[in-house]
Amino acid sequence: GESVGLHLPTLSVQEGDNSIINCAYSNSASDYFIWYKQESGKGPQFIIDIRSNMDKRQGQRVTVLLNKTVKHLSLQIAATQPGDSAVYFCAENAGGGSNYKLTFGKGTLLTVNP
Amino acid sequence: ETGVTQTPRHLVMGMTNKKSLKCEQHLGHNAMYWYKQSAKKPLELMFVYNFKEQTENNSVPSRFSPECPNSSHLFLHLHTLQPEDSALYLCASSQPRLAGETGELFFGEGSRLTVL
Repeated sequence: GESVGLHLPTLSVQEGDNSIINCAYSNSASDYFIWYKQESGKGPQFIIDIRSNMDKRQGQRVTVLLNKTVKHLSLQIAATQPGDSAVYFCAENAGGGSNYKLTFGKGTLLTVNP
Repeated sequence: ETGVTQTPRHLVMGMTNKKSLKCEQHLGHNAMYWYKQSAKKPLELMFVYNFKEQTENNSVPSRFSPECPNSSHLFLHLHTLQPEDSALYLCASSQPRLAGETGELFFGEGSRLTVL
């Protein structure tokens, strides 16, 4: 079946470095993709999304890249801060009609060392 | 504060108990969702309600019974659960999706359920 998965379960970086979190997807019908951040004891929080007809989108300190050729998605965090420590999930939306039908990956734990 | 409030935050129950999880959203959304988050597994969609009508049941066992009395409230009634049902249950809400538009689900902080 179709799935969304993450290449690395954990990522440890130094404060100030850039972080790159990767995600592979297999559903070519997905029309957009979302990155969520989940801090300990909290629910997932939206970071950024990208439509399937785009290959790059930038937000504040974050950039999402989409490579449809290899079905790969990445989240880049610039100048990573301790507050960025969390689990990051990618999700794809396929169908759902007037609702969102998000399929989530397992998540990558990002640890930022001071 | 995401505008989606879940209670209780923690719940411990025996396999023969009946309990309920509650979700309330203050965002004026019309769609509400239940997700299950187990350790080392992706978030799993359980149910979707749109304008109080159930539009998605992702093959969830009948020991989980959702209820959506209005667009702002969503319940998950629990009965005769199994230890493997222990997980974080997340509620989310959203606006109806317009064709071709992106958007997001707004999640609550979850109800941590432990089944003994």
